[in-house]
Amino acid sequence: AQSVTQPDIHITVSEGASLELRCNYSYGATPYLFWYVQSPGQGLQLLLKYFSGDTLVQGIKGFEAEFKRSQSSFNLRKPSVHWSDAAEYFCAVVDTGGFKTIFGAGTRLFVKA
Amino acid sequence: GAVVSQHPSWVICKSGTSVKIECRSLDFQATTMFWYRQFPKQSLMLMATSNEGSKATYEQGVEKDKFLINHASLTLSTLTVTSAHPEDSSFYICSARDGPGADTQYFGPGTRLTVL
Repeated sequence: AQSVTQPDIHITVSEGASLELRCNYSYGATPYLFWYVQSPGQGLQLLLKYFSGDTLVQGIKGFEAEFKRSQSSFNLRKPSVHWSDAAEYFCAVVDTGGFKTIFGAGTRLFVKA
Repeated sequence: GAVVSQHPSWVICKSGTSVKIECRSLDFQATTMFWYRQFPKQSLMLMATSNEGSKATYEQGVEKDKFLINHASLTLSTLTVTSAHPEDSSFYICSARDGPGADTQYFGPGTRLTVL
C-alpha cells in the first residue's frame, strides 16, 4: 500500500533563511504528489502538485518542489521564508487507481525573527 | 477556482446528541466527496468516500452507523455524527472532486466539533 513519510515533525528556521521540507513516498508507479499548507484551525490550501513532466514544479507563495524518482522523494523548498509561512505542511500522494489521498504526518514550521 | 464550503464551522454539543455537518461544492459538481478527521496536531485520516447517489465507502475502523454520510446531490454531502461522545471531538474536513479521474481535491475549511 502506498504511504507518505515526513521525517521531520517540526522545523524552525529564521526569517529570510531557506527552507526544505522532506517527503518520501512509497508507491509502485509514479504517483500524483501534492503539498498542502494548513494554518491553525483552517482547512488545507494546495501549494503545488506533480503529475508528470518536469520534475521541478513551481507553486504558490514562492514554493517549489522536486520529484526525484530514484529517491522516492518530493521535497518542498522555499529560498526565503517569511514569518507568515509558519504553519503545518502536509505532503500527500494520490494513487492513480483508487483516487484516495494519503497524507503524511505533517511538518510544523516555526519561523523565528 | 473551485470552492468547497462547510457548515457549521464549529459546533459544541452535549454527549448523546447527533450533529450534522454539511459540505457543499459551490461552483462545480462533485461526483465524489471525501470526509476526513483530524485530531489535534495530527494528520488527516480518511473516514469515507461518497459518490453521489450511492452508499459511502468507509475506511477500516470507521463505524458506519456512527458516522452517517449522505451524498444526495452533486453539490452536497452531509456527515452526521450520531450519539456523539467526547472522543468524537475533532476537526472534520471534507473535500470534493469534480469528476471521475480528476486528480485534485478541493478542501473545505473544516468543522470543529466539541462534545461536552
